Amino acid sequence: GAGVSQTPSNKVTEKGKYVELRCDPISGHTALYWYRQSLGQGPEFLIYFQGTGAADDSGLPNDRFFAVRPEGSVSTLKIQRTERGDSAVYLCASSKGGDGTEAFFGQGTRLTVV
Amino acid sequence: AQSVSQHNHHVILSEAASLELGCNYSYGGTVNLFWYVQYPGQHLQLLLKYFSGDPLVKGIKGFEAEFIKSKFSFNLRKPSVQWSDTAEYFCAVTLTGGYQKVTFGTGTKLQVIP
Repeated sequence: GAGVSQTPSNKVTEKGKYVELRCDPISGHTALYWYRQSLGQGPEFLIYFQGTGAADDSGLPNDRFFAVRPEGSVSTLKIQRTERGDSAVYLCASSKGGDGTEAFFGQGTRLTVV
Repeated sequence: AQSVSQHNHHVILSEAASLELGCNYSYGGTVNLFWYVQYPGQHLQLLLKYFSGDPLVKGIKGFEAEFIKSKFSFNLRKPSVQWSDTAEYFCAVTLTGGYQKVTFGTGTKLQVIP
């Protein structure tokens, strides 16, 4: 596609439920990143994939959060037992990888846990 | 770990006024520096970036930023703002020599009054 696509654009879920957020990166981009943006804050790094593997997951807040990228393209961020504090905009970005390459961001998924 | 500080959270200017948004980063090593912009309802977009060379970097839409290593600063400037510059601006940093685990500042909301 022309840009990074994230679905759904909005998700409302009940506390304790499981959610999946999808990211479809720009074709050919090997690097994929997930960020979380809470109200009034800048985006906060969660996890980075180079190809299929998670090269850096140091930003995941706890073990309720997990992400996969099984074929090196589409990625899914999974959140178990959601809590109200998980409410935020989840951003995905992709790049060609390597130092000096620009990361392109999607529109984000606004997750609201009620 | 690196961090980014943006001191102005909300700036209101009249059209044709000059703009300077402050950004300071905290890291002792070599960094890459970015300014991203998020227009209302749109995704994050790269405005400009500094990797090496001339510390005065020119970006899109008449924006520029100056890297002052001794001050750990990367302030964004524009001589004359337009109403269409109303947006949120994020300063960001990555470490050199690797992938783009981007650390963002908290953002500055710019409102330009016609």
